[in-house]
Amino acid sequence: DVKVTQSSRYLVKRTGEKVFLECVQDMDHENMFWYRQDPGLGLRLIYFSYDVKMKEKGDIPEGYSVSREKKERFSLILESASTNQTSMYLCASRGTGVTDTQYFGPGTRLTVL
Amino acid sequence: GQNIDQPTEMTATEGAIVQINCTYQTSGFNGLFWYQQHAGEAPTFLSYNVLDGLEEKGRFSSFLSRSKGYSYLLLKELQMKDSASYLCAVMDSNYQLIWGAGTKLIIKP
Repeated sequence: DVKVTQSSRYLVKRTGEKVFLECVQDMDHENMFWYRQDPGLGLRLIYFSYDVKMKEKGDIPEGYSVSREKKERFSLILESASTNQTSMYLCASRGTGVTDTQYFGPGTRLTVL
Repeated sequence: GQNIDQPTEMTATEGAIVQINCTYQTSGFNGLFWYQQHAGEAPTFLSYNVLDGLEEKGRFSSFLSRSKGYSYLLLKELQMKDSASYLCAVMDSNYQLIWGAGTKLIIKP
């Protein structure tokens, strides 16, 4: 079974803090993704990576950065957290086949006070 | 622009049948996915359609019409555990998934 894990289920931070969200997958997938999910808006892609050290902006990259130093690990960084970044953050990984599905981690619910 | 539309919320009765519709307008098409997401949990894969027609998988079936930009997810013999959000996603010409906002399905006894 594919397993995608995220470092925290719940996180509370203060405005201006630097926040690291980590994601690890165990299926040797090339592609990894970071989404945020807000009520009524669905999943919105923040960044994705198709290989080690490679990254591509998604639909809403502003205020975020990412790091992929190892194939299995994809980190999302909030340089200076703001209240509008309070959200559910979901990491996913996928193989390279067109029909390959995305496998999601359990999510991190981040609250920025 | 790219757009995926699905109803925000639906209610159905335990044991009944429900159809959740999804219409899409995307730049290119490389398949349509349905995912199930229980409250507070991650989405899990249900089905994938790339050719027109109906794909049946147990109590769940998914239909696709590429010419109409339309899909539906059919759930039969509804159980209380089917209460969840159902997400429609289309893979575009860049092999990126475009997500709908999801349909919250409420099952009543």
